[in-house]
Amino acid sequence: NAGVTQTPKFQVLKTGQSMTLQCAQDMNHEYMSWYRQDPGMGLRLIHYSVGAGITDQGEVPNGYNVSRSTTEDFPLRLLSAAPSQTSVYFCASSYARDAHYGYTFGSGTRLTVV
Amino acid sequence: GENVEQHPSTLSVQEGDSAVIKCTYSDSASNYFPWYKQELGKRPQLIIDIRSNVGEKKDQRIAVTLNKTAKHFSLHITETQPEDSAVYFCAASIRTYKYIFGTGTRLKVLA
Repeated sequence: NAGVTQTPKFQVLKTGQSMTLQCAQDMNHEYMSWYRQDPGMGLRLIHYSVGAGITDQGEVPNGYNVSRSTTEDFPLRLLSAAPSQTSVYFCASSYARDAHYGYTFGSGTRLTVV
Repeated sequence: GENVEQHPSTLSVQEGDSAVIKCTYSDSASNYFPWYKQELGKRPQLIIDIRSNVGEKKDQRIAVTLNKTAKHFSLHITETQPEDSAVYFCAASIRTYKYIFGTGTRLKVLA
C-alpha cells in the first residue's frame, strides 16, 4: 500500500513549455485533488474529482487541465508554463462517501518556471 | 464565499509550554474540521479532526475544541517538544469531501 504517489519530485520548466504532473493512489479513494502551496497563502485548490470521468474546478484552475480516466490516476497538465506557476504542488485523496474523511497527501512536486 | 481564517501566522513557545492555534469558519453548514501538520519539506499529515456533534477531542498531547455557535475551533498542544515545530493548517468542510484550508501557523518550539 503506497498511499499517494507523485512524480516527479522536482521539475524546472522554461516559460511556455508544457508538462504533466502525475498522481496515483492505491487506496480506492473516490476523491482526488490538486493543490498548490505558496508561501503565506496556504493550500489552494486547483482541480478536483469525485470519481472516474468527473472533474471540477477549484479556486485557481487557470492554466491547468485535469482528467480522471481511472479511479487510481489523476494527472495535472500545465498547458503553457508561466513563472507565476512556480510553486509546490500536492495531490490529495480521500473517500467521498456519507461521512467525512481526512486527506492523504502525496509527497509533493516542487516546480520552478524560468 | 466560504472562508477559514487562522491565527496567529507564527507562534513561538518555550519547550514544555502550551500552544494554541485558532480558526474561524464562515459556512454554517461546515461539520468536519481536520488539522494537518507539515514539517519542513514534507507533505501535510492529518493529526486530529473533530466533527460538529462533538465539542472537544483529545489525543495524547493534542486536543481540538469546537464552538459551533461562534464558528470557532482551536488546536491545543500541551507540553510542547522540539519535534512539534512545524506549520499547522486547519480546515473546514464545505462538502462531504471538500475542505477549505486556513493559511497556516508556523510553530517554533524553543529549547
